[in-house]
Amino acid sequence: GQNIDQPTEMTATEGAIVQINCTYQTSGFNGLFWYQQHAGEAPTFLSYNVLDGLEEKGRFSSFLSRSKGYSYLLLKELQMKDSASYLCAVRDGGNNRLAFGKGNQVVVIP
Amino acid sequence: NAGVTQTPKFRVLKTGQSMTLLCAQDMNHEYMYWYRQDPGMGLRLIHYSVGEGTTAKGEVPDGYNVSRLKKQNFLLGLESAAPSQTSVYFCASRDLTGANSPLHFGNGTRLTVT
Repeated sequence: GQNIDQPTEMTATEGAIVQINCTYQTSGFNGLFWYQQHAGEAPTFLSYNVLDGLEEKGRFSSFLSRSKGYSYLLLKELQMKDSASYLCAVRDGGNNRLAFGKGNQVVVIP
Repeated sequence: NAGVTQTPKFRVLKTGQSMTLLCAQDMNHEYMYWYRQDPGMGLRLIHYSVGEGTTAKGEVPDGYNVSRLKKQNFLLGLESAAPSQTSVYFCASRDLTGANSPLHFGNGTRLTVT
């Protein structure tokens, strides 16, 4: 089984940097995904990590430590449109299913 | 290119009624999934399919049935709706190119059971 934990909500100022953490426990690990979900909309894919280290994609970066069961998503130069829920999801290597955390709501204020 | 399309977008049911949610994808993806999303619970997997003619149970399958008669379609059925099934339902699909292939989601079906 899998257990994925994320903090529930944070507020940050436009232009700032915010880090969203995700810890997980899984019997088999085959990758970690981050999704963005705006209110009332579908989740959209942001990043994927399967090896330890940092993956950078423009203003967004994602980090993984498999030994610690830990990942974070870093959002730089925050914009108002970044106000959304950020979902961490872990793929189980045994059945290839994707289990989601509860999501972290980020509110960007001027 | 429509991606993943869900119908209907909204529905209100009375307890005991039945309905079918339709998911269609035009990306030739092998895998398809049905999730429900509830406040404070995150996305939970109901059923999924790894190819045409196959289905499997997810985390919360009770009260739901599914069918994958055609590769592009994945149907979710509620035989006798209950208020506990009030939720937002998301369909998703992905291809077989590798473990890093992401899920592509539909826009969701908002279901209320009274």
